[in-house]
Order: sequence, then structure tokens, then C-alpha cells
Amino acid sequence: GAGVSQTPSNKVTEKGKYVELRCDPISGHTALYWYRQSLGQGPEFLIYFQGTGAADDSGLPNDRFFAVRPEGSVSTLKIQRTERGDSAVYLCASSLQSGIDTQYFGPGTRLTVL
Amino acid sequence: DAKTTQPNSMESNEEEPVHLPCNHSTISGTDYIHWYRQLPSQGPEYVIHGLTSNVNNRMASLAIAEDRKSSTLILHRATLRDAAVYYCILRDVVGAGNMLTFGGGTRLMVKP
Repeated sequence: GAGVSQTPSNKVTEKGKYVELRCDPISGHTALYWYRQSLGQGPEFLIYFQGTGAADDSGLPNDRFFAVRPEGSVSTLKIQRTERGDSAVYLCASSLQSGIDTQYFGPGTRLTVL
Repeated sequence: DAKTTQPNSMESNEEEPVHLPCNHSTISGTDYIHWYRQLPSQGPEYVIHGLTSNVNNRMASLAIAEDRKSSTLILHRATLRDAAVYYCILRDVVGAGNMLTFGGGTRLMVKP
């Protein structure tokens, strides 16, 4: 079956611009996660949705970052006034339920802020 | 949160077994031991998990020490496609967090 998909695969933007990153989870998965991975490091948690609501957004670095999942399926990560330090691979994962269910990751979106 | 310690890198020859160690001396009784791996330019993928007993699946085996303070991921015959970063992660079935907390992992290099 179809896995987690993320679009775009690559995004290049200029400092100060607004970007949106999209995640399509596996159909029927109620939990959705966003992570950020800088070069040479492991992924870092950003935010977790259970259904439509953000159950834990403790990993969002500041108020320039925001994510939504209005219908409990597709999610969009939004970054305002991008900075060069936001350059990273943004990974999305979904799981059937929350808790310790296996998380299935998408291929990521590589964001480059010039 | 209980943390894990892994070697930064390991090397193996193709078609030989590989033992990837992980130390987790502060593990709690409700922590499951999970392994994920990340192939180049891909998102992480689940490998295996266990609580107390050794586990086997089609990808690997997980050997858990009797005191649970360490574990070993075993790839029985490494292939070039197994070259990846392997992450050992503790997940508390009772705790507040549902996210995965990744450390630096072990970069496995497989030589032909």
C-alpha cells in the first residue's frame, strides 16, 4: 500500500519568506508526527497530532513554526519569516494509533533557506 | 527520559553477521527498546522492538541483557543495502511522550 508521502521533496527559499510543507500520512493512521533533521544529526521531534488536534507541540522551536491537520489526515507545517538556521530535512511520520505504535516515515522535505 | 549510548560507527564485511550494541543503564521497567534505521536520503524505518525477551523478525534479531541495561541488534548476514544509521530508542509505554527521541545512532558501513 501507499506509504507516507511528503511534498515538495526539495524547497529552496529566501530568508524572510513563508513556506508550507505537506504530509500525506498512511490512510487510517490517526497519529501524525513532524520531525526536523539537521545534517549529521538524528531527527528531532517538533509536533504530534492525534486526529485533528495537536497533542504535543513542545518541540516547535518558536512561534514562527505552526502546523495544522484540519481533517485528521493531511498535515501542513508552516514556517513564517524563514531563517538560514531553518535549513534542514523535515520528516513526517504516521502511526495507526499513538503510544508506542510503529511510526512510518516519509522521505522528507529538504528545506534550504538562502 | 532514559538515554541510550551507541558507538558512532561500525564496519562490517558483506555476508558476515553484525552486532550493534546499545547501552541504556537508566532504563525503566516500562521502557520498550526500539530500533530504527535510516538509509541514505530516506526517512527512518522500523527494524524491531522488545521488552525483556529476545526477539526475531525477518530483518534482524534483538538480544536483550538479563538486567535490561544493554541490548544488541543482530543482522545475521549484512548486505550492502544494510549500510545505514541505526538508532536505539527507548519508548515508555506509560509515559507522556509518544514521539521518538533519536540520539546520534551508529553508522554501519558494509564492505563488499
